[in-house]
Amino acid sequence: AQSVAQPEDQVNVAEGNPLTVKCTYSVSGNPYLFWYVQYPNRGLQFLLKYITGDNLVKGSYGFEAEFNKSQTSFHLKKPSALVSDSALYFCAVRDGNTGKLIFGQGTTLQVKP
Amino acid sequence: GAVVSQHPSRVICKSGTSVKIECRSLDFQATTMFWYRQFPKQSLMLMATSNEGSKATYEQGVEKDKFLINHASLTLSTLTVTSAHPEDSSFYICSAKSGLAGGTDTQYFGPGTRLTVL
Repeated sequence: AQSVAQPEDQVNVAEGNPLTVKCTYSVSGNPYLFWYVQYPNRGLQFLLKYITGDNLVKGSYGFEAEFNKSQTSFHLKKPSALVSDSALYFCAVRDGNTGKLIFGQGTTLQVKP
Repeated sequence: GAVVSQHPSRVICKSGTSVKIECRSLDFQATTMFWYRQFPKQSLMLMATSNEGSKATYEQGVEKDKFLINHASLTLSTLTVTSAHPEDSSFYICSAKSGLAGGTDTQYFGPGTRLTVL
């Protein structure tokens, strides 16, 4: 069965420091991986995805993610965090059979000034 | 591009009434739309998958007679919560995926609808 795990409920970083939000996955076949961000009382905004190609994927708002097949990970990163990056982040994998997105449980990112 | 809207953004209704939520893809054609429910500080729970012109496919445990889904056009899907009760209070989010050949597998999400049933 396909699954996604985000091992951290919350990540705290200081503004200006690099941030990492972790995601690991379990799929059969090639993974289609996504990161979304959710601000309070809002829907999800697409950040980036990995389908194939370069393992380092660049996305919106300066975010990037590194696909690591051997570690089955797709961690979200940003070199310099902003207070406005504080939000709820979801990693997701597309089920190859159904096309559905399977979401992780979400990680709250708190960036402090 | 890839904008999805939802209406209304917030609705308060009395127990026993029905509420309709609209989901529109504004700048692309969506052959597939998805309806999710989200509880506070939790992940999204897929309720159903809606394909244009056909009946929705509901996830296990979701009552199809209570949550009526209609996907009448390539840009509009509606979710009707029938005979709503306080336990139906939640944040409902739709998403849409382009069905064009060569289209991406990316789901684009609406801003959500906060339903409160009194």
